[in-house]
Amino acid sequence: TQLLEQSPQFLSIQEGENLTVYCNSSSVFSSLQWYRQEPGEGPVLLVTVVTGGEVKKLKRLTFQFGDARKDSSLHITAAQPGDTGLYLCAGVTVTGTYKYIFGTGTRLKVLA
Amino acid sequence: EAQVTQNPRYLITVTGKKLTVTCSQNMNHEYMSWYRQDPGLGLRQIYYSMNVEVTDKGDVPEGYKVSRKEKRNFPLILESPSPNQTSLYFCASSFEYHDLGYGGYTFGSGTRLTVV
Repeated sequence: TQLLEQSPQFLSIQEGENLTVYCNSSSVFSSLQWYRQEPGEGPVLLVTVVTGGEVKKLKRLTFQFGDARKDSSLHITAAQPGDTGLYLCAGVTVTGTYKYIFGTGTRLKVLA
Repeated sequence: EAQVTQNPRYLITVTGKKLTVTCSQNMNHEYMSWYRQDPGLGLRQIYYSMNVEVTDKGDVPEGYKVSRKEKRNFPLILESPSPNQTSLYFCASSFEYHDLGYGGYTFGSGTRLTVV
């Protein structure tokens, strides 16, 4: 059972556009993280959000953790070709055993 | 530089020919893990290791073996590879298992395996 659903699955946009990627679950998470995976490389951790409602900014990227800690979003302002890659959310549920789960992924392509 | 090093990056092999993918980390991490990544299926955990000599199955362990004789190394062994093991493999490490939710993983660059 996939507990972390990401949307959209694919996204192709022009340079300069804004976009939002969503990571949703019916489960509560103690924290959520976002990774970016560039073609031919392993995922790289971008951010960890821990508190419900928390907002973190990393240059043009804004990450938000839902108030109920069941969802998260990643907003990119003025996307650039260098933002191209696979974005993965991941986290640990608070219920049951401690298990680290990856989301289904969003593949982003930014066209110059 | 803190990193996870996997070798080889690319490998084409034939069905049934034993192979080993090496993984080494230089961060003194206790927790190490192997994942495979397939289109439409995402990252799936194969095996993990909490510490030296402590390994356990992940979600898709069939056809794989691992060992953890030293803290820094965690090789993945395919005793008799089959075409359904064609995939992109990642080794990853974290300071400790319960640190994952805060520090996340450091991943290697991946090994693209093709079994013909």
